[in-house]
Amino acid sequence: KNQVEQSPQSLIILEGKNCTLQCNYTVSPFSNLRWYKQDTGRGPVSLTIMTFSENTKSNGRYTATLDADTKQSSLHITASQLSDSASYICVVSEQEDTGRRALTFGSGTRLQVQP
Amino acid sequence: EAQVTQNPRYLITVTGKKLTVTCSQNMNHEYMSWYRQDPGLGLRQIYYSMNVEVTDKGDVPEGYKVSRKEKRNFPLILESPSPNQTSLYFCASSPTPYSSGQYNSPLHFGNGTRLTVT
Repeated sequence: KNQVEQSPQSLIILEGKNCTLQCNYTVSPFSNLRWYKQDTGRGPVSLTIMTFSENTKSNGRYTATLDADTKQSSLHITASQLSDSASYICVVSEQEDTGRRALTFGSGTRLQVQP
Repeated sequence: EAQVTQNPRYLITVTGKKLTVTCSQNMNHEYMSWYRQDPGLGLRQIYYSMNVEVTDKGDVPEGYKVSRKEKRNFPLILESPSPNQTSLYFCASSPTPYSSGQYNSPLHFGNGTRLTVT
């Protein structure tokens, strides 16, 4: 069964500090991995997408990495801001034979940035 | 503004009283989907629609119905709600359900409907 596991479940850091969130998956065949940010009371919003051939991708202060061999991804947040307080969800896409992609969602990491 | 709109945002109802949660998108997306989000479980797919008049079950379809009569609308129907359907529900859409090369388009989510069934 395809699974996506995220760690830690929750994290509290001080404003200005860096942090790294982890995502391990067992989805196969792998198509791509996307990180979403979900603010409280809002729907998730895509931050970045990683394909098999990509190791690192940045979006401002967010940097995602992917190791397709070990099936691990991380999301690094640099110089955190209060607005980074949110849940971060890892979503892995499987390529079905029909061409349709099936998504497996992680349960998210809840990040709280304190002043 | 491109968006997915869900209504209502909050809903409290009683067991057995039929309800409908509406979802509308203004981006001409082919693909629409419903998810429920419960603590510790992440987002789970209820139903999805590849296009008008084409719907299919997701991972947790029991107790739910959907319809896709128009491209923009994808309502979620609970014919006889039960307390275990208390959850946070999200509607999402994307241009296509298929991969385009190695990339696929992101899901665009609504802001959620918090449903409580007593």
